[in-house]
Amino acid sequence: GESVGLHLPTLSVQEGDNSIINCAYSNSASDYFIWYKQESGKGPQFIIDIRSNMDKRQGQRVTVLLNKTVKHLSLQIAATQPGDSAVYFCAETRMDSSYKLIFGSGTRLLVRP
Amino acid sequence: EAQVTQNPRYLITVTGKKLTVTCSQNMNHEYMSWYRQDPGLGLRQIYYSMNVEVTDKGDVPEGYKVSRKEKRNFPLILESPSPNQTSLYFCASSPGESLHEQYFGPGTRLTVT
Repeated sequence: GESVGLHLPTLSVQEGDNSIINCAYSNSASDYFIWYKQESGKGPQFIIDIRSNMDKRQGQRVTVLLNKTVKHLSLQIAATQPGDSAVYFCAETRMDSSYKLIFGSGTRLLVRP
Repeated sequence: EAQVTQNPRYLITVTGKKLTVTCSQNMNHEYMSWYRQDPGLGLRQIYYSMNVEVTDKGDVPEGYKVSRKEKRNFPLILESPSPNQTSLYFCASSPGESLHEQYFGPGTRLTVT
């Protein structure tokens, strides 16, 4: 069935190290893949997106990689900071379906001082 | 300040007592949506609206109603709440041309006893 999922529920990294959060998807018809960050007690916040015809996109300290061959999406955070501690969700949209944003179940990132 | 607001933020109610959770955005966004967030299930879309007077079901619409009489408001109505609707609810909005980049409200935690 259609799904957007995550390999690891919790990721613990040392402050200053790079973080890599992974996501697997099963639907090849997705148009956009998106990463959201959710801090405790807040709503999700858009981080970065990548269109399905791209392999890589960089933002400020973040990079998203898309491997369509193995249907894998990753979010790389450079020089992880305590403020990066949050739950990260991957999501996908398909413009041919009813304009839905479908979320994965999330990965919690813990940054050790 | 550009934002999505929800009220109330917390609500405890009893089974069968009708309630409405309001959502308002000040960004003139065409698209608005409601999600519920449950542990281990991520965010699931309840209803969405592409514009005024246009609403559609998401993945979990049963037991909910919405209306979009004005562009800025998108209330979520529970006609007869049940305990399985205990959840954390998020409203979101986005410009029509960027449906994947959604702006989320702070959330409403609902408990139905």
